[in-house]
Amino acid sequence: ELKVEQNPLFLSMQEGKNYTIYCNYSTTSDRLYWYRQDPGKSLESLFVLLSNGAVKQEGRLMASLDTKARLSTLHITAAVHDLSATYFCAVDGGATNKLIFGTGTLLAVQP
Amino acid sequence: DAEITQSPRHKITETGRQVTLACHQTWNHNNMFWYRQDLGHGLRLIHYSYGVQDTNKGEVSDGYSVSRSNTEDLPLTLESAASSQTSVYFCASSSGGSQETQYFGPGTRLLVL
Repeated sequence: ELKVEQNPLFLSMQEGKNYTIYCNYSTTSDRLYWYRQDPGKSLESLFVLLSNGAVKQEGRLMASLDTKARLSTLHITAAVHDLSATYFCAVDGGATNKLIFGTGTLLAVQP
Repeated sequence: DAEITQSPRHKITETGRQVTLACHQTWNHNNMFWYRQDLGHGLRLIHYSYGVQDTNKGEVSDGYSVSRSNTEDLPLTLESAASSQTSVYFCASSSGGSQETQYFGPGTRLLVL
């Protein structure tokens, strides 16, 4: 059974600091997704990582995938308050586009 | 613009009642999914469909059913609502291509009393 673990579950950080959210998964998969959810809102797609070594960047966020280590990271550079949200990683569960989600990381960026 | 909508956005019901949550997408996507979101559990897959007349059980399907009679709609039915089904429900769709992410609806907050 595929399991997806994120850590930390909660992250409080100051504006301007850097940090990394980790996403580990238990079985082989070469497709990983990152989503953002604002409080009371829906999920917004951030990144789709499709192969080992894939790296994608958008603004202050950079995501990478190491399929051999079964690990994805979401790196935050010089955090700003607008990045406060819950971030989810999701792994393709084997069947077409069937996603297994991590429990999420609640990020709070303090001014 | 193409979109995915859910209705109702909020629902209060009583235990034992049948409840149907609607999901409608205008992306013309083949794949549609229902998730529930609860604190500490992230999103868990309830049912999914890869096309008309196709439905599949997800990891938490007990007490729920779906039917797919056209491409645009995948209604979720709670046959006999239970308090444990109080949750936020999200519908999502995707085209099914290898690089395709899922697009999520706005969610339905369901309270079962």
